[in-house]
Amino acid sequence: EAQVTQNPRYLITVTGKKLTVTCSQNMNHEYMSWYRQDPGLGLRQIYYSMNVEVTDKGDVPEGYKVSRKEKRNFPLILESPSPNQTSLYFCASSPRTGAAYEQYFGPGTRLTVT
Amino acid sequence: QQPVQSPQAVILREGEDAVINCSSSKALYSVHWYRQKHGEAPVFLMILLKGGEQKGHEKISASFNEKKQQSSLYLTASQLSYSGTYFCGTVAQAGTALIFGKGTTLSVSS
Repeated sequence: EAQVTQNPRYLITVTGKKLTVTCSQNMNHEYMSWYRQDPGLGLRQIYYSMNVEVTDKGDVPEGYKVSRKEKRNFPLILESPSPNQTSLYFCASSPRTGAAYEQYFGPGTRLTVT
Repeated sequence: QQPVQSPQAVILREGEDAVINCSSSKALYSVHWYRQKHGEAPVFLMILLKGGEQKGHEKISASFNEKKQQSSLYLTASQLSYSGTYFCGTVAQAGTALIFGKGTTLSVSS
């Protein structure tokens, strides 16, 4: 089944404790992206990647890191999480960069930082 | 720059119609529409490309006015299953990122 998977789905952590949220797709998509969703603010892009070893900042990259060493994986790293990073996170992928292709979203990761 | 959606919320009864608008201050290459049910991931509805090509949903239609940098999503004869939050996303140029609006919440009751 074609899908985007994220792990974990739920995470409660403490300020400053490094964490990684994994994202994997099995559709051989070139483009992958991370979004955060907060009430009333919609989906805001954190980072995106147009292909292996190519990443770029989105609208809200501060406090996050990403890497794209393999085509299928695009992990999101929070080196020192803070409470303002409490949010719902979505990973998405599409065959190529988004202009003419639909994005497939993962199920989401709900992160709480205390 | 984030596109602006209007209205923020719509309440309908089954069978009624709704229009959701999306506008940008920049010239656009494409507009995307997604629907998100509570607690779930966004799901693709439609893409409208500069030049008139459309890809997407059979029962939901949309328009894209390139000159005005505006798109509208038309939900006709609404069903309970149409309830959710609708997001438009815009792409300024081919090869650039998709930027989403804040969403429009649609509630359909029987």
